[in-house]
Parts: sequence; C-alpha cells; structure tokens
Amino acid sequence: EVQLLESGENLVQPGGSLRLSCAVSGFTFNYYAMSWVRQAPGKGLEWVSGISGGGGTTYYADSVKGRFTISRDNSKNTLYLQMNSLRAEDTAVYYCAKVPDIVLVPGAGAPWFDPWGQGTLVIVSS
Amino acid sequence: DIQMTQSPSSVSASVGDRVTITCRASQGISSWLAWYQQKPGKAPQLLIYAASSLQSGVPSRFSGSGSGTDFTLTISSLQPEDFATYYCQQASSFPLTFGGGTKVEIK
Repeated sequence: EVQLLESGENLVQPGGSLRLSCAVSGFTFNYYAMSWVRQAPGKGLEWVSGISGGGGTTYYADSVKGRFTISRDNSKNTLYLQMNSLRAEDTAVYYCAKVPDIVLVPGAGAPWFDPWGQGTLVIVSS
Repeated sequence: DIQMTQSPSSVSASVGDRVTITCRASQGISSWLAWYQQKPGKAPQLLIYAASSLQSGVPSRFSGSGSGTDFTLTISSLQPEDFATYYCQQASSFPLTFGGGTKVEIK
C-alpha cells in the first residue's frame, strides 16, 4: 500500500524557517517525481513545488521561488520542503503528493498527483 | 499563468441526481486536465486524468470530457459518499494551477 506521511503541525513566526518532511512507503521512491501542494484555510489548492525522481530537477511556483527549497533523500524515502522567510500568507495545510512519472513535465507524461499525504498544517503568526 | 475557472462554485443536489461541473481554461490546454475530489478534513483524491481517463478504483459513475479550453466532470447518479468539493487542475504548463473548486451539497 502506498503511504505518504508528512510531519506534524507547526507554528512559526513571520520571517522564520521550517522544514517539512514526507516519509513514503509502498513504492520505489526514486522512480517517481514528487510535489508539494498547499491549501490555505477555507481556500482552494495551490501547487508549490516539484522535484524529479532523481532529484536533479526542481520546479517552483513564483509565490515561493527563492524562499522555499524542495529536496529528497532517496536512500531514506523522504521528501523535504525547506521554507525560509515565511509570511502570514504561507499559512496552509501542506500536502506531499506522488507524480505518476519520473519527471514532472507539463504537457507530457503524467503531470498530476496521486496519491496525496494527509497534510500538515503550517501556521505563520506572531 | 493559465487560469482555471470552475462553475458553479456550489451545487445542491439529491441522491440519484446527475451532476455536471464545468472547468474552463484561460488558454488551450489540449487534454492536459485532471479532476480531484476532496472531502472535509481529508486530502484530495485523483478521479480523472488526461481529461477523460478514469483513475483506477474510481466508480464508473464519474466521467470527464472536453479538450482545449472547456471541460466537464459528470457524476451520473449522485451517491451519499460523493458530497464533497471537486477541483480541476491544468497539467499543460508551469505553474500547475487549480480551479477554485465546486462544492456539491445535499439538497
């Protein structure tokens, strides 16, 4: 059974940093690209970042580019999201999600998300 | 960025009803579209990919159609477990973007 498990709830002050983790099992991790998608309270879904199966290619939404860094440790079957210079508008539930392809290439392959983890709440507040 | 507009934003329906949700892209995306279902407090689940392909394990009452800029998700006979929020996602170009969601409520 495929499982994705994000780290627990987190509260951080504006300007602070946080690293999210997503531990996976049930599939060959390095064969698949991964992504982070977030959802602000009561709002819709926003794609944040993606990474290829080997980790060599990364992608970011403009809203987080330069502040967030996605990475993965294929030896530990774990995906990460390093979040720096956090703002109140980064408050959201963060989901990790598996991409059904080794790369995340819009307009080719399988650039969608399945399955998703249960999500972890990040609150940026003073 | 490609904007995805869903309509309606909410719909009230009864068990057994046929429900249709529309998603419009701000520019052509061929068939690069996915649909997700999200229940309260839960993660989204993939229903449809490539505009019309049913994800494994998803009931056949769900179907998707469309290409270019206009897409439709249809639930042929609404079941109690289908009351949820539905999102479309364009998979044609970065940044990947989602529609605003359609909440399917009990009438």
